[in-house]
Amino acid sequence: SYELTQPPSVSVSPGQTARITCSGDALPKQYAYWYQQKPGQAPVLIIYKDSERPSGIPERFSGSSSGTTVTLTISGVQAEDEADYYCQSADSSGAYPVVFGGGTKVTVL
Amino acid sequence: EVQLVESGGGLVQPGRSLRLSCAASGFTFDDYAMHWVRQAPGKGLEWVSGITWNSGSMGYADSVKGRFTISRDNAKNSLYLQMNSLRAEDMALYYCTKDMGFGLGWVWGQGTLVTVSS
Repeated sequence: SYELTQPPSVSVSPGQTARITCSGDALPKQYAYWYQQKPGQAPVLIIYKDSERPSGIPERFSGSSSGTTVTLTISGVQAEDEADYYCQSADSSGAYPVVFGGGTKVTVL
Repeated sequence: EVQLVESGGGLVQPGRSLRLSCAASGFTFDDYAMHWVRQAPGKGLEWVSGITWNSGSMGYADSVKGRFTISRDNAKNSLYLQMNSLRAEDMALYYCTKDMGFGLGWVWGQGTLVTVSS
């Protein structure tokens, strides 16, 4: 089966930069998406097509891609950014049309 | 405004069936592919199933293949998930999602909780 690998947790102080990675063999060929999920809420799209930001999402959220790894960067982290973050993509064969990473808990110290 | 409202969750015994529904509004439902995603308590997101705009193609996660069936009624702006032979490991919050297409990502409903227990 195809897997996307994320670190389980990232801790960051307010105002600092948090980086969350997501690794998968098909990422050079498939777009990645990032979702933010706060406790008791549904996931919300924050990055699409590796690095595009939907309207209404703060500029401090950005995405990038390099080889088999995509990265979500939160610049100038705020307390309200404490949440779980999930990457989403697909494998290149079509056998696994949708795959989520295991999620990363961002803790604001 | 896009609205996705799931219903049909509840407590069900192992081996029994349940049908989830998702009522969509605020967009032209039959223009978009739709998906079901679940999240077990305290766990991550797991894609369950997806269906194209015209029901021409459906896909399933290996964990539900042969037990779950996705369908849609474009006239009723509704998405469904028929879940048979339910197991304890199917217990989760089930989300209905709209695939915005063109690589634009997904919009999510608030979910409906399925509890499988005797």
